[in-house]
Amino acid sequence: NAGVTQTPKFRVLKTGQSMTLLCAQDMNHEYMYWYRQDPGMGLRLIHYSVGEGTTAKGEVPDGYNVSRLKKQNFLLGLESAAPSQTSVYFCASRARGRVSGYTFGSGTRLTVV
Amino acid sequence: DQQVKQNSPSLSVQEGRISILNCDYTNSMFDYFLWYKKYPAEGPTFLISISSIKDKNEDGRFTVFLNKSAKHLSLHIVPSQPGDSAVYFCAASAGYALNFGKGTSLLVTP
Repeated sequence: NAGVTQTPKFRVLKTGQSMTLLCAQDMNHEYMYWYRQDPGMGLRLIHYSVGEGTTAKGEVPDGYNVSRLKKQNFLLGLESAAPSQTSVYFCASRARGRVSGYTFGSGTRLTVV
Repeated sequence: DQQVKQNSPSLSVQEGRISILNCDYTNSMFDYFLWYKKYPAEGPTFLISISSIKDKNEDGRFTVFLNKSAKHLSLHIVPSQPGDSAVYFCAASAGYALNFGKGTSLLVTP
């Protein structure tokens, strides 16, 4: 049972480059989330989705776009990477109605130089 | 503005003793509170939770206490073990997503 899988695990980008982070879950969860973790900042919500085809902004959405074309996948895109987007990105999913049922991926460490 | 606050960045406790991790919140709409544990290079894992209608929840060595009037919750670990050394995040829910604190790094020494 894979749970939540994030691809890639590590990436180095140059300023201005674009990339897409992929999150895949195999638990048939309705809700999916992207968080970023920075030193001393905890986890901050970037975007989330409550179902296929729907997305919503979180606390720190600027510079990111997301898509949820399939229920099991949630993509996070950076159109023009900036050094301020250097962070560890975590994807999570949960079933509707199960507030305690968040499952997190192992993270993507992104460095923008 | 941080709605969930963990004011102690780190805590060191001897093995066998009690670890107490604290968390304060400002949003009275939060209705569910959770604690997550995180090891380096891994994602957070769920530890224990409590609904706002309760004041205590216990699971083995872990107990969470909620004081709604003070907007404060705490996680007690008794007895503490070296394997408990990790970063602990307090989180609160008032809708679709969780709000996290900045985390407390717990070190349990032999």
